[in-house]
This record gives sequence, structure tokens and C-alpha cells, in this order.
Amino acid sequence: EVQLQQSGAELGKPGTSVKLSCKVSGYNIRNTYMHWVNQRPGKGLEWIGRIDPANGNTIYAEKFKSKATLTADTSSNTAYMQLSQLKSDDTAIYFCAMELDGAYWGQGTLVTVSS
Amino acid sequence: DVVLTQTPSILSATIGQSVSISCRSSQSLLDSDGNTYLYWFLQRPGQSPQRLIYLVSNLGSGVPNRFSGSGSGTDFTLKISGVEAEDLGVYYCMQATHAPPWTFGGGTKLELK
Repeated sequence: EVQLQQSGAELGKPGTSVKLSCKVSGYNIRNTYMHWVNQRPGKGLEWIGRIDPANGNTIYAEKFKSKATLTADTSSNTAYMQLSQLKSDDTAIYFCAMELDGAYWGQGTLVTVSS
Repeated sequence: DVVLTQTPSILSATIGQSVSISCRSSQSLLDSDGNTYLYWFLQRPGQSPQRLIYLVSNLGSGVPNRFSGSGSGTDFTLKISGVEAEDLGVYYCMQATHAPPWTFGGGTKLELK
């Protein structure tokens, strides 16, 4: 069974960074793209970017190019997203998801930005 | 980027009622490989999106057959034939034909009348 287990909730101060993780079991992440999507409070789903864990190649949505950094560790089958220069409007739930016809999503990580 | 427009934004239904949600795309979602990468998700409160339908009309694993998807090109529909209480939540369409990026519809909230 494929499962995506995301790291726990984060509380970050403005101007700092947080790094979220997404550990995959039941499937080798080298064989797929890993996507990240966010959802601001009460809002819809917004694509952030994707990484090819096999070679580290990344593509970002324009608005997240200076905000998010995607990495992956194939030895631990884990994808990561670092969010930098946190602002209050970065407060959101962040989901990881596999490329496989959208079938597999993590449970989400709540990031709260507050001083 | 492709824009997906979902209607209605709120849908009120009684248990057992059949309902439909529309998703219209700003561009055709037919890919050059012959597939149409249009998906439907349900997000229940406090949960991550759950895939219901893939490639327009294919039912996801474990998804009840009261859900069905149809459409082509730029117009797509999700139908629920007999709403049950567990179906309440927000429905999203998503396209991956013109990806990256994945783009999502604005969502349709299904609530009890």
C-alpha cells in the first residue's frame, strides 16, 4: 500500500524558514514526480511545484520561485519543501502528492506564521 | 496557465438526490497522446483531497459507483447518483494535460439542504 506521511505542524516566525518532509512508503519515488500543493485557510488548492527525485530537477509556479525549495532524498524515499522568508500569508496547509494520476496525497502539514 | 471554472460553487442536496458539478476549461484538455488528464477530488473537512475520478471517467480504487465522470475537450461533469452523508465536502476538478502546473477548479461545496 502506498502511503505519504508528512511531518507535523510548524509554527514559524516572520522572516524565518521551515522545512517540511513527506516520507513515501510502498513506492520508489525515483519512479515518479513529487508535487507540492497548498491551501490557505478557507481557500482552494494551489500548485507550488514539482521535483523529479531521480535527478533533482524542479519546476515551480512563478509565485513560489523565491519562496519554496524542493529537494528529495531517494535513500530515505522522502521529499522535502523548504519555505523561506515566512510571511503571514504563508499560513496554510501544505500537501505533498505523487504524480500517479493524482491518486496519492499526504495528510498535509499546517504551517502557521506568527510572531 | 489553464483556468478551470467550476459551477456551482455551492450545491445543496438532500440524501438520495442526484447532483452534477460542471468543470469548464479555458483550453482543450485532450493531450497529444490521446488521453485527457482531467481528475475529480473530494476534500472532506480536515482531510486531504481524495481522488474520485481519473482520466475523465475512470473510477478510482474503492470509490463507490454512484460517482461518475463524463465530458471531453473543455466541458466535464461529475455526477453523484444518490447523495449519501459521507459525500459532503468540497469537490475539485484538476487538469494535468497542460502541466506543469497542475491547475484546480475553484471548488464546489456540497452541503445538506
